[in-house]
Amino acid sequence: AQKITQTQPGMFVQEKEAVTLDCTYDTSDQSYGLFWYKQPSSGEMIFLIYQGSYDEQNATEGRYSLNFQKARKSANLVISASQLGDSAMYFCAVYSGYSTLTFGKGTMLLVSP
Amino acid sequence: EAGVAQSPRYKIIEKRQSVAFWCNPISGHATLYWYQQILGQGPKLLIQFQNNGVVDDSQLPKDRFSAERLKGVDSTLKIQPAKLEDSAVYLCASSGRTSGSSYEQYFGPGTRLTVT
Repeated sequence: AQKITQTQPGMFVQEKEAVTLDCTYDTSDQSYGLFWYKQPSSGEMIFLIYQGSYDEQNATEGRYSLNFQKARKSANLVISASQLGDSAMYFCAVYSGYSTLTFGKGTMLLVSP
Repeated sequence: EAGVAQSPRYKIIEKRQSVAFWCNPISGHATLYWYQQILGQGPKLLIQFQNNGVVDDSQLPKDRFSAERLKGVDSTLKIQPAKLEDSAVYLCASSGRTSGSSYEQYFGPGTRLTVT
């Protein structure tokens, strides 16, 4: 069984600041992938970034980067230069086997002017 | 490229009634997923289709939930009879090798179900 833990129910950050959203995972599989999704109030899940368990370098996608620490089973999302439009729920997810995603409970991010 | 389409967006029913949701995945995507997202939680996989075959339905409450994907394209999810605890957002997602990672799932806008 897989498990995702997101310990921060909510985070507050000012515009243009960087923020780190925490994620730890538990899986017994050697090959797995880690995802971060954004869910604005409209409800749609938006893919942000992906990290494979065998990738040696941390993934980056524009303002998003994934701080992958395999030994600690940690996959934190870093958002640089926060924008007002970043206010949303953020979900960390892990897959292994045949494309089955297990999500955490999410972190609500609020960006203030 | 058109995204994943779902309808209806909102549905309110009374307990013990039946309801159906529809999903049309991104063209060419072989894999289709239905998730249930209860308020304050992350999405939970209900069922996964590969073309028109079921890959995983281990978390689908089969006494009241059913799903089908005829012809390997669009899909319907049905609840009969509904219970209060079925109130949730039902998300449909699809994945394939047409773009990006083959593991990346693209989600639809969801159907918000309220059971009274």
